[in-house]
Amino acid sequence: NAGVTQTPKFQVLKTGQSMTLQCAQDMNHNSMYWYRQDPGMGLRLIYYSASEGTTDKGEVPNGYNVSRLNKREFSLRLESAAPSQTSVYFCASSENRANTEAFFGQGTRLTVV
Amino acid sequence: QKEVEQDPGPLSVPEGAIVSLNCTYSNSAFQYFMWYRQYSRKGPELLMYTYSSGNKEDGRFTAQVDKSSKYISLFIRDSQPSDSATYLCAMIFTSGTYKYIFGTGTRLKVLA
Repeated sequence: NAGVTQTPKFQVLKTGQSMTLQCAQDMNHNSMYWYRQDPGMGLRLIYYSASEGTTDKGEVPNGYNVSRLNKREFSLRLESAAPSQTSVYFCASSENRANTEAFFGQGTRLTVV
Repeated sequence: QKEVEQDPGPLSVPEGAIVSLNCTYSNSAFQYFMWYRQYSRKGPELLMYTYSSGNKEDGRFTAQVDKSSKYISLFIRDSQPSDSATYLCAMIFTSGTYKYIFGTGTRLKVLA
């Protein structure tokens, strides 16, 4: 049971570098999400995709872009990484946007130096 | 003021204790209330959810919602060392603007 798979698990970037975080789910879910988790701030929504072909900004979208490549895959791109983007990033999916249960990946620990 | 407030802990209790975890919220439009458990270096996983006010029980876990006070609780009976984790409350409303908000999490340690 793979569920939600994120790659990579760890990454160190230099300020100004770019990278893409990959996420795939095998549960045939319509909705997918990207969160960041910081100490004392909890989980904050960066972007979400309610269904294939749509994406919307969440609470903290600045500095990020997303692509819903197909129903399974939802990627998060940092075009020019900044130290403030050091965080743990989680991808999640749910059957639909209104579903109470979201399934999370294992997370990507990103450090920007 | 944050829409959802949760005491970060840490909360340390002896094995077998009853644990009470709580969240308060400010937006009366929230309809569904969830509790997630997150082990260290893992993603959150849903424990249980409730709709509107009332209690819901699942094994050693009981979720309680008091909409009049804008207060939700998770009780863990006969706590075990394996319950040591961070517990996040979450709330959702879908009328008009969609919102799914997480609390900051309470770190729990159950001592053997």
